Formats: sequence, structure tokens, C-alpha cells
Amino acid sequence: EVQLVESGGGLVKPGGSLRLSCAASGFTFSSYSMNWVRQAPGKGLEWVSSISSSSSYIYYADSVKGRFTISRDNAKNSLYLQMNSLRAEDTAVYYCARTSRALDYWGQGTLVTVSS
Amino acid sequence: QSALTQPRSVSGSPGQSVTISCTGTSSDVGGYNYVSWYQQHPGKAPKLMIYDVSKRPSGVPDRFSGSKSGNTASLTISGLQAEDEADYYCCSYAGSYTFFGGGTKLTVL
Repeated sequence: EVQLVESGGGLVKPGGSLRLSCAASGFTFSSYSMNWVRQAPGKGLEWVSSISSSSSYIYYADSVKGRFTISRDNAKNSLYLQMNSLRAEDTAVYYCARTSRALDYWGQGTLVTVSS
Repeated sequence: QSALTQPRSVSGSPGQSVTISCTGTSSDVGGYNYVSWYQQHPGKAPKLMIYDVSKRPSGVPDRFSGSKSGNTASLTISGLQAEDEADYYCCSYAGSYTFFGGGTKLTVL
């Protein structure tokens, strides 16, 4: 069974940093591209970043480019999102999602709250 | 960079059909056959319902169908059921970016 479990969310002050993790199981993690997608409270889905299976291709939404860094460790079956210079508008539930023709499996999400 | 355009809400009675549109540009929806649709119930993670414009993942009822014409994709749900009440999001690959629609709330009357 495919499972994606996010962790690392919490309350952080504006300008602060946070590192999210996504632990994958039930599939060959190293064969799939992965994504981070976020959803602000009461709002729609927003794609944040994607990383290819071997980390050769990395893409970011303009809203996070230069502040967020996506990475993965295929040996540990884990996906990461390093978030720096956080702003109030980054407050959201952050989901990790696997790419297989589309975003076919999603985790349950981790809440990031940016507030003073 | 801008989100794809969806109606904010649609509604229908049980047994009826509804269609949700998703309008983009020639750089996203119109340029690739990589449109997908997601269903999200309150407090839950999104679930993939349609990929590659019109394909259904295993386990998704055939009441759900997708299509595309030009820069507009559509999700049609036939034989509406109470459990179909949810938010629906379209999504399109666009080269270095992936765009979501703003979401459509489906109400089953």
C-alpha cells in the first residue's frame, strides 16, 4: 500500500525557517517524481515544487522561488522541503504527492502556520 | 503564472449530470494532454479522479469522465450521488510549472 506521511509543520515567526519531511513507503520511491502542494486555510490547492526521480529536474512556483528548496534522499525514501524567509501567506497545509501521469497519491498533510 | 479558471460552484440533484469547466491557455490546458481532476472532501487529502484529460484511475466510477476542447477542459459527473458532494480541482502540466484551478464546490441538492 502506498503511504506518504508528512511531518515537520508547526508555528514559526515571519522570516523564520522550517523543514518539512515526507516519508514514503509501499512503492519504489526512487522511480517517481515527487511534489509539494499547499492549501491555505479555506483556499484552493497551489502547486509549490516538483523534483524528478534522480533530482536532475527541480521546479518551483514563482511564489516560493528563491526561498524554498526541495530535495530528496532515495536511500531513505524521503522527500524534503526547506522553507526559509517564511511569510504569513505561506500559512497552509502542505501535502506531498507522487507523480505517476498525475498526482496519484497524496499524504494527509502537515500544517505550517507563520505568525508572530 | 495564474491559476486555471473554474466556476466557484455547481449543483445538481441526485441522478442528474453536472459538468465543471476548467479554462486555461495554450501554454497549459491547450498545449498538453496532461489535465487531471481531483476530488477533495472537507478535511481530507485530494483524490485523483481523472488523468491525461480523460483516463480514470482504477477504482474511480465510470460516472466520472473528462474531456478537453482547445484551452478548456471539462469534468462530467453523471448519475450524481450524495457522496459526490465535494470540492473539485482541475490541474494542468505546463512545462516547468503545474497549475491548479481555483476549485469548484459541487452541491448535491
